[in-house]
Order: sequence, then C-alpha cells, then structure tokens
Amino acid sequence: ETGVTQTPRHLVMGMTNKKSLKCEQHLGHNAMYWYKQSAKKPLELMFVYNFKEQTENNSVPSRFSPECPNSSHLFLHLHTLQPEDSALYLCASSQELYLSPSNEQFFGPGTRLTVL
Amino acid sequence: AQKITQTQPGMFVQEKEAVTLDCTYDTSDPSYGLFWYKQPSSGEMIFLIYQGSYDQQNATEGRYSLNFQKARKSANLVISASQLGDSAMYFCAMRENTGGFKTIFGAGTRLFVKA
Repeated sequence: ETGVTQTPRHLVMGMTNKKSLKCEQHLGHNAMYWYKQSAKKPLELMFVYNFKEQTENNSVPSRFSPECPNSSHLFLHLHTLQPEDSALYLCASSQELYLSPSNEQFFGPGTRLTVL
Repeated sequence: AQKITQTQPGMFVQEKEAVTLDCTYDTSDPSYGLFWYKQPSSGEMIFLIYQGSYDQQNATEGRYSLNFQKARKSANLVISASQLGDSAMYFCAMRENTGGFKTIFGAGTRLFVKA
C-alpha cells in the first residue's frame, strides 16, 4: 500500500449522471494530483493542488470539477461525461511540488470509470 | 514533440535473467529528474527509482538500476534477476525544474516474465 486510497475502485455511469471520485492520502503530503490514463495513451496530468490551492488545470473540460477541502483529501466531481472519458483515473500525492529526489509521487490504485 | 519515448511496447524475459527497458527523453532544462514507475494489473503506480540530472552516479535500488547516459538523453531501467512478480507495465517519467510540478510520462513498456 502506498498510503493513497481511492474510492470507488470501479464506477459505471450514464452520460447524464453526476458522480464523484474520492482520494485520500495518509502521508502528510502537501501536493495532490489527478491523472487520466486512457488505453494506449500516456498518463495525462489533469489537475494539481498545492496546500489546497489549485496550481494547474491542464486544459481539462469543465465536466470535470476538482475539489480539495484539505491537504489530505481530493475529489473529482463528474457530470455529463462522454464515453471517451472512460479511463483509469489516478490520484497521486507528493511531499512538495518541486523537483527533488524525495518528491516522488505516490499513487493510489485508481478508479476505473466506464461511461455508457 | 514527445518528451519521453519508450520504444518497446512489450518485452519478454526469462525468470532470473536481467532485462533492460529503454527510455529516451528530450529537454532543454539543465535541471530535471527522471523516474521509473511500475504498474501491475491492479492499477496502482509504484515508484521504483529516481535519477537527478546532476547525479554523478547511476541510481540503484535493490534489483533496479538506471543506466543514465546524459549526452544521449537516455535513462534505461535495468531489472536484474527477473521474478514472475515483475510482470507489469513500466513507465518512464520526467519532471523538469522549470515546470516542476508537471511529471510527463512515456507510453510504457509491458514486461512479461516467463517461468
């Protein structure tokens, strides 16, 4: 276990549904990330939060809405998704944002999302 | 332009043998870090090894070592004495100092360890 948990592990939703993905880290880290992993594509960074403040939105459509109420929790709210949004959504955390040997990212197990 | 290139979509290795997974990168930033992650079928990404651009020696962590050739911009992962549990996807990633919070991942290499 990496110290980063994600729920649910699997989610199937219709295009008109609203759902939320949850991520929690027990490592005392200050930075948290959302990534999307689609089949046959490299991992794509979606959002970055540092000390609860969003520092990066990597041109993500507004149907994905992140929320970071505190440094331990990160949510991804989903609404009116498209079938092409089906993917593995990974949450990660790191001690700090910036480059150093100790700032590797710890990943959660991911939520496998299927949009019908 | 792709910043991280992993040219081997799939690799096979016999148990107990060593295997090298290739990774080349492109950056103009003199300060950067290179990471390797393992992703088993369960989905979680597991950090394996880190190499800083100014590190003089190749990084090693147990059975993992990183063959860092800075002039060639390559950072190949070497797994010694392969085990069946090493079967997984392996991702090379880079973080540049100027864009410190953006880790860019390669497309990955799927490793199959044969008994």
